[in-house]
Amino acid sequence: ETGVTQTPRHLVMGMTNKKSLKCEQHLGHNAMYWYKQSAKKPLELMFVYNFKEQTENNSVPSRFSPECPNSSHLFLHLHTLQPEDSALYLCASSQSSGGYEQYFGPGTRLTVT
Amino acid sequence: GESVGLHLPTLSVQEGDNSIINCAYSNSASDYFIWYKQESGKGPQFIIDIRSNMDKRQGQRVTVLLNKTVKHLSLQIAATQPGDSAVYFCAETLVYNAGNMLTFGGGTRLMVKP
Repeated sequence: ETGVTQTPRHLVMGMTNKKSLKCEQHLGHNAMYWYKQSAKKPLELMFVYNFKEQTENNSVPSRFSPECPNSSHLFLHLHTLQPEDSALYLCASSQSSGGYEQYFGPGTRLTVT
Repeated sequence: GESVGLHLPTLSVQEGDNSIINCAYSNSASDYFIWYKQESGKGPQFIIDIRSNMDKRQGQRVTVLLNKTVKHLSLQIAATQPGDSAVYFCAETLVYNAGNMLTFGGGTRLMVKP
């Protein structure tokens, strides 16, 4: 997946830690997304950014804080997470209009201990 | 990138046979429908899409059928190969300009026996 990259690929963190997930897209897209994939909900949209502006927050708890400094980069800042937040976090990007095809990164597997 | 610990419906087929994966969608107003494939260790990958004004669309070895009356979508894979083993998700979306919001179905695991 050279189009959309995510780092780290694996992360283990304690409930009191603060960490960040990074996503970068090399496709010239202007919309970026964070998804959560877990045993309970296979692919759940968390946040949408369009031209660096957040256009959707799908009722995500404040312990998840997204940041989009430019159209190519997207971060997900994590703090005071719970064990039930353990999941695969996927980043995707797409064109902003008429571009319903989303390109996904490989994901970050997060384990909260 | 595999579906983490999911208890998914599983379809097991013999190599060379045709596969049919079904999906029921929720929003009768959805305008686009997309099938994604997720292999182990990877994120979902676009396979094929169909717009609501169509009932069939064909790609390379894949066909998507849309039945709006019963809100049903299917993906047919011809001459299934071991490389087709993956989890398949359907997704639906309204036409939305500021970044399309996809709603994903639960997924089906396809296992191809050599």
